[in-house]
Amino acid sequence: TAGITQAPTSQILAAGRSMTLRCTQDMRHNAMYWYRQDLGLGLRLIHYSNTAGTTGKGEVPDGYSVSRANTDDFPLTLASAVPSQTSVYFCASSEDRGLGYGYTFGSGTRLTVV
Amino acid sequence: SQQGEEDPQALSIQEGENATMNCSYKTSINNLQWYRQNSGRGLVHLILIRSNEREKHSGRLRVTLDTSKKSSSLLITASRAADTASYFCATESNFGNEKLTFGTGTRLTIIP
Repeated sequence: TAGITQAPTSQILAAGRSMTLRCTQDMRHNAMYWYRQDLGLGLRLIHYSNTAGTTGKGEVPDGYSVSRANTDDFPLTLASAVPSQTSVYFCASSEDRGLGYGYTFGSGTRLTVV
Repeated sequence: SQQGEEDPQALSIQEGENATMNCSYKTSINNLQWYRQNSGRGLVHLILIRSNEREKHSGRLRVTLDTSKKSSSLLITASRAADTASYFCATESNFGNEKLTFGTGTRLTIIP
């Protein structure tokens, strides 16, 4: 089934440790996104990529970095995790950004920083 | 900051009844989208309505958009137990950054 694969499904991480959340899509979509979802705050955009080789900052980028070496993969890295980064992280993609395409979402990674 | 605000925050109805959720937003948009999220899962795109459209249908879904009031509504007719989920509106702005901004959602429970 075509779509987005995120890994891991869940993780408990010690504060100060680094971690990379993986995201792979098989739809050849140009644009990809990382959101975090927190109760009462909805989904907030962390970083995005319009196309392979380019990335941009979203609403809450601090403490996170991304790369887009190819069309399919868009990993999210936490260099030094803090408890406020406890959240559910969703990767999404769309055919293009800003042209009115719906987003396809992965199933999420539930991260707990202790 | 949130662009979209859904109302109500939670809604419980009997199976077979119609469910209506509302979304208000703050700035000019290119389009507005509705998504469904089942518990513990990712969001699923339901329907997109462009700023020059006033109403759109897809199966049991009906979406309206009033750009003068900066508001939208999602109607689900003849609700089913499987419609139990959270529903989010998302707006794509026309300010050049074209990011999709989500509201905080409406939790819909269908009582069998």
